[in-house]
Amino acid sequence: GAVVSQHPSWVICKSGTSVKIECRSLDFQATTMFWYRQFPKQSLMLMATSNEGSKATYEQGVEKDKFLINHASLTLSTLTVTSAHPEDSSFYICSAPDRDRTPYNEQFFGPGTRLTVL
Amino acid sequence: AQSVTQLDSHVSVSEGTPVLLRCNYSSSYSPSLFWYVQHPNKGLQLLLKYTSAATLVKGINGFEAEFKKSETSFHLTKPSAHMSDAAEYFCVVSNAGNMLTFGGGTRLMVKP
Repeated sequence: GAVVSQHPSWVICKSGTSVKIECRSLDFQATTMFWYRQFPKQSLMLMATSNEGSKATYEQGVEKDKFLINHASLTLSTLTVTSAHPEDSSFYICSAPDRDRTPYNEQFFGPGTRLTVL
Repeated sequence: AQSVTQLDSHVSVSEGTPVLLRCNYSSSYSPSLFWYVQHPNKGLQLLLKYTSAATLVKGINGFEAEFKKSETSFHLTKPSAHMSDAAEYFCVVSNAGNMLTFGGGTRLMVKP
């Protein structure tokens, strides 16, 4: 199947700093990517839909000024957590559909990025 | 609107015995349904998917699931559990717009 990577896999930062997480589709083009957040022992919650060349669409309750999304190319979406606080500590996961290979909505997931804010 | 309910948050089985993880869904559309597995601190791995073809779907590692429209269910089964099956399992529904909705997850524990 298609491969999605994330970088970094693990990051620790001080409160008040900003952290950028990258999501890349390695062997396919992704006009759409999705960002999820997963708290310990909980399910994944969709945060936003990243659209190449246009603004991201945020789910209700997600602050767009805090979680900046940029989808600058067909293989890269970035999520920047601005002015991070301890409550932002979580596992962030991205996914993307490869419409050429799987027209029936299968998503390919990145391995996740664990963010810890001290 | 669509939703997914995983009926058991925890399931414990003995190695070598059958596994049943239950999932019910609701969707306004003809849905695509998936089961994913997540091992600790790992990414999601697709086990199997239903996409309006055969209602009995076979996946990797001996897992299978049956789509029952009348019951709006998509339960995951395996005839014989292995220690390596211990993980978190997510039932997921997708609509035509690629929007995924995750169930709450079921933690499978396998006892020796």
